[in-house]
Amino acid sequence: GNSVTQMEGPVTLSEEAFLTINCTYTATGYPSLFWYVQYPGEGLQLLLKATKADDKGSNKGFEATYRKETTSFHLEKGSVQVSDSAVYFCALRRGGGADGLTFGKGTHLIIQP
Amino acid sequence: SAVISQKPSRDICQRGTSLTIQCQVDSQVTMMFWYRQQPGQSLTLIATANQGSEATYESGFVIDKFPISRPNLTFSTLTVSNMSPEDSSIYLCSVHRVQETQYFGPGTRLLVL
Repeated sequence: GNSVTQMEGPVTLSEEAFLTINCTYTATGYPSLFWYVQYPGEGLQLLLKATKADDKGSNKGFEATYRKETTSFHLEKGSVQVSDSAVYFCALRRGGGADGLTFGKGTHLIIQP
Repeated sequence: SAVISQKPSRDICQRGTSLTIQCQVDSQVTMMFWYRQQPGQSLTLIATANQGSEATYESGFVIDKFPISRPNLTFSTLTVSNMSPEDSSIYLCSVHRVQETQYFGPGTRLLVL
């Protein structure tokens, strides 16, 4: 079946540090890949997505590239801010758009000033 | 984007009782999804609800425990039946919109005593 594995947290960084949150997946076919973010006290929001191999999703300075050869979708940001503190979820959906999402366990990111 | 509302936003219930959660979307959607987020855990898909047909349940979830209604294209309910403390979770509804984006409601925080 489908599964998503992401690095466990919490991850603690200083402001302006470089961020990488690893995400790998197992799926049949050609899934779409997503990063969702959950800020403290708020609902789940889509951060970025990629729907096919070699696509790069980007938003708010975050980027992730769909790597089919390594089945990965790592999240990166060059310079994090305190406001980036949140829980980040990697997720996939089987191709076709008719299925729900399979989520990783989430990574709690803490940015210190 | 999609505007999704859920009622109630939170509730405290006694074991053995049932709670029905409502999800309202601001426009018509074909597919609605229900997820559970247990404390400190990731999101798990419970079922997919299509208008006019029986919901499709994921492994580990059954209709007797989580009956779902989908009377029209903007509304769905999820009932958590015969509750136990293990049912304490955040329950979220979600819809699939164009360009493969899935939007989430604010969630219903349930505590079972």
